Amino acid sequence: AQRVTQPEKLLSVFKGAPVELKCNYSYSGSPELFWYVQYSRQRLQLLLRHISRESIKGFTADLNKGETSFHLKKPFAQEEDSAMYYCALSTPSGNTPLVFGKGTRLSVIA
Amino acid sequence: DTGVSQNPRHKITKRGQNVTFRCDPISEHNRLYWYRQTLGQGPEFLTYFQNEAQLEKSRLLSDRFSAERPKGSFSTLEIQRTEQGDSAMYLCASGGTGEWNGYTFGSGTRLTVV
Repeated sequence: AQRVTQPEKLLSVFKGAPVELKCNYSYSGSPELFWYVQYSRQRLQLLLRHISRESIKGFTADLNKGETSFHLKKPFAQEEDSAMYYCALSTPSGNTPLVFGKGTRLSVIA
Repeated sequence: DTGVSQNPRHKITKRGQNVTFRCDPISEHNRLYWYRQTLGQGPEFLTYFQNEAQLEKSRLLSDRFSAERPKGSFSTLEIQRTEQGDSAMYLCASGGTGEWNGYTFGSGTRLTVV
């Protein structure tokens, strides 16, 4: 069965400091991995997906199959990055529903 | 298209009552998903439809829960004989079967069972 683990419930960093939100997964095949973000009082929205290898709002994430990880990184945190971040996994082509981690709350301190 | 729409936004009900939620997906999306989210947890999968066919149901979906998607458009999720443990945010999402780009979520329906 697929599983996503986000080991940190809360991560607090100072503005301008680097951010790394950890995500580990369990899946025997080649996963499709995503990061979703939920800002205060807003709906869950897609931040990025690993296959597009893009950078959104300065965030990047690299799939490491050896370590089964998909950590989310940003070199310089901004106050507006404060939100809940969820890592999610699906199988290729999206034929199984997304499995989410429990989420990490990022708090950026001014 | 204004995205995925869910109604009502909030629902307070007495234990034992039945409740029904509605989800209107993005019109060109043929897949529709229901998730539940409780405090401190990520979204947990309940069930999903491809067009009008219900393709998968989670073990979380007890026999008090039923979902429909008539004509492959909007969907309803009904909970019969609600219990306090049903209190949660119920999220709907839609997605296509073409290029896989993840889901688009609605704002959710917050259910409180008193």
